[in-house]
Amino acid sequence: DQQVKQNSPSLSVQEGRISILNCDYTNSMFDYFLWYKKYPAEGPTFLISISSIKDKNEDGRFTVFLNKSAKHLSLHIVPSQPGDSAVYFCAASARSGNNDMRFGAGTRLTVKP
Amino acid sequence: NAGVMQNPRHLVRRRGQEARLRCSPMKGHSHVYWYRQLPEEGLKFMVYLQKENIIDESGMPKERFSAEFPKEGPSILRIQQVVRGDSAAYFCASSVGQGIYNEQFFGPGTRLTVL
Repeated sequence: DQQVKQNSPSLSVQEGRISILNCDYTNSMFDYFLWYKKYPAEGPTFLISISSIKDKNEDGRFTVFLNKSAKHLSLHIVPSQPGDSAVYFCAASARSGNNDMRFGAGTRLTVKP
Repeated sequence: NAGVMQNPRHLVRRRGQEARLRCSPMKGHSHVYWYRQLPEEGLKFMVYLQKENIIDESGMPKERFSAEFPKEGPSILRIQQVVRGDSAAYFCASSVGQGIYNEQFFGPGTRLTVL
């Protein structure tokens, strides 16, 4: 069962423009959401997170928006840079006891110079 | 301060053989998680361990797979009698403490290929 879905396997944007990566989830128990970035031959690295008590969290060029009613979150990168080219995974977790995160299938972002 | 280390980085096994994947957590981390990534899919949780204890193995296949995290030494993910469907990237992560607010740091992964 795919509880976290990233419906766009790939995204291509021009350097300097905004990148918007989307993620949907089905489990209403999820209350903590994370974005990970992964380069080839490396493990995922944590990028940014958001708790369900917020609807926005910003860190430099990266902003995550959460719409709980729609069970949807998005990652905005602005301005996009070629070094942002990577696979981005959305992950979700429930606070109550579980330590496992549910990951989406990932979106491959390509930022063209 | 070394990060999470996994070895081997690549492992090739024939059907029916055993695969042993090792994970050394970051210094000071006593919580270890194993994930599997099948081609074109996201990471899927397998098991969560603390030193000498399996806390949550709800994502682990019931047969052929086992994990341990001994008092001394790395965490081991063991796959017995491998089949082609076991071919995947296996990632280990570690954290300082328990709970979702303790960031998990990932290792580079072990890519298992079953011939």
